[in-house]
Amino acid sequence: DGGITQSPKYLFRKEGQNVTLSCEQNLNHDAMYWYRQDPGQGLRLIYYSQIVNDFQKGDIAEGYSVSREKKESFPLTVTSAQKNPTAFYLCASTGDRAGGYTFGSGTRLTVV
Amino acid sequence: GENVEQHPSTLSVQEGDSAVIKCTYSDSASNYFPWYKQELGKGPQLIIDIRSNVGEKKDQRIAVTLNKTAKHFSLHITETQPEDSAVYFCAATAYNFNKFYFGSGTKLNVKP
Repeated sequence: DGGITQSPKYLFRKEGQNVTLSCEQNLNHDAMYWYRQDPGQGLRLIYYSQIVNDFQKGDIAEGYSVSREKKESFPLTVTSAQKNPTAFYLCASTGDRAGGYTFGSGTRLTVV
Repeated sequence: GENVEQHPSTLSVQEGDSAVIKCTYSDSASNYFPWYKQELGKGPQLIIDIRSNVGEKKDQRIAVTLNKTAKHFSLHITETQPEDSAVYFCAATAYNFNKFYFGSGTKLNVKP
């Protein structure tokens, strides 16, 4: 079945560490997105990529980095510069201008 | 940029009753409005969407209405069931689909 796979489901980060969240899709979608979700808030856009080797900052990109070397993959690195990284992270993709997002199942990141 | 507001933040209904969630948007260029359902610990799933050239769309017990003049759109769930309990998000985007702007979510609780 086609879909988006996020891993790991749970991730713990120590202070000062960089961690990378994986997002892989087999939907042949061109565009991919990373969102952050905090309790009681909507989804906020971190980064997005509409094509391989190109990506743009979203509304809350500070402290995060991404790469898009392959169409299928859009990993997100949460750097030590992100001072409040504890959140639920969602990856999404879309294939054309006709429909909405397909979301992954999310990664819950906790600072310990 | 676009600003999407969603109300209410929580909604409790008795099984079999109807539920209505409302969203307003600010950018008149927005022309695609999806609704997502998110169950605990999972990624959001698209349940229904509407485009700006349509005033209403139905899919079984779910309907969405759009008032472009007033810049608001609503999700209607009839004959609610306990499995409808979840968090619902509205979103808006202009046709380039570069960014989706999400409401803050409504936690729907359907009491048996």
